[in-house]
Amino acid sequence: AQTVTQSQPEMSVQEAETVTLSCTYDTSENNYYLFWYKQPPSRQMILVIRQEAYKQQNATENRFSVNFQKAAKSFSLKISDSQLGDTAMYFCAFMLYSGGGADGLTFGKGTHLIIQP
Amino acid sequence: DVKVTQSSRYLVKRTGEKVFLECVQDMDHENMFWYRQDPGLGLRLIYFSYDVKMKEKGDIPEGYSVSREKKERFSLILESASTNQTSMYLCASSTPPRNIEKLFFGSGTQLSVL
Repeated sequence: AQTVTQSQPEMSVQEAETVTLSCTYDTSENNYYLFWYKQPPSRQMILVIRQEAYKQQNATENRFSVNFQKAAKSFSLKISDSQLGDTAMYFCAFMLYSGGGADGLTFGKGTHLIIQP
Repeated sequence: DVKVTQSSRYLVKRTGEKVFLECVQDMDHENMFWYRQDPGLGLRLIYFSYDVKMKEKGDIPEGYSVSREKKERFSLILESASTNQTSMYLCASSTPPRNIEKLFFGSGTQLSVL
């Protein structure tokens, strides 16, 4: 079974600062996906960024980027130039490539990120 | 856009009641999921289904059952609600093999069992 660990229950930074959220995972599989989801107070889960394990290049989406270290089983999220709208719960998640995604995602416990004005 | 609709945003029930949480998706997705979200515990998978009338237990199925009679609808059933089932419930769907990695989520049902 896969596990995902987020060691920071809550973080707080000033607007415009850069912040890094940590995530580690444990799996014996070689082919998988990793994700960061954002959940604002509206409760809607929003996909922030995803990474295919076979890709060495780190994924980037505008102000969001990841540092994927496959050997270390680490998948951190960096948010640059943080904005008030980035305030939300952030979940790291794992999905096996095999099985057609039928068994869904395994989530970490989440990090509550607060951006201070 | 894909839409995953959960029938209720907030629900209040009494201990011992039978509770149905409904989820409907409009994009002909094969896979559907029910998660439970609790503070400090993240999202945990209760049940999932990869086809009509098929269901598989997730990590925390105890006290729950599901029904998938039609492809677009996946129901979560609490046979006899208990206070420890007070939680936020999230439904999701996806479609293999194209975009297998992309889950679409509903906006959640906050269930309170008194």
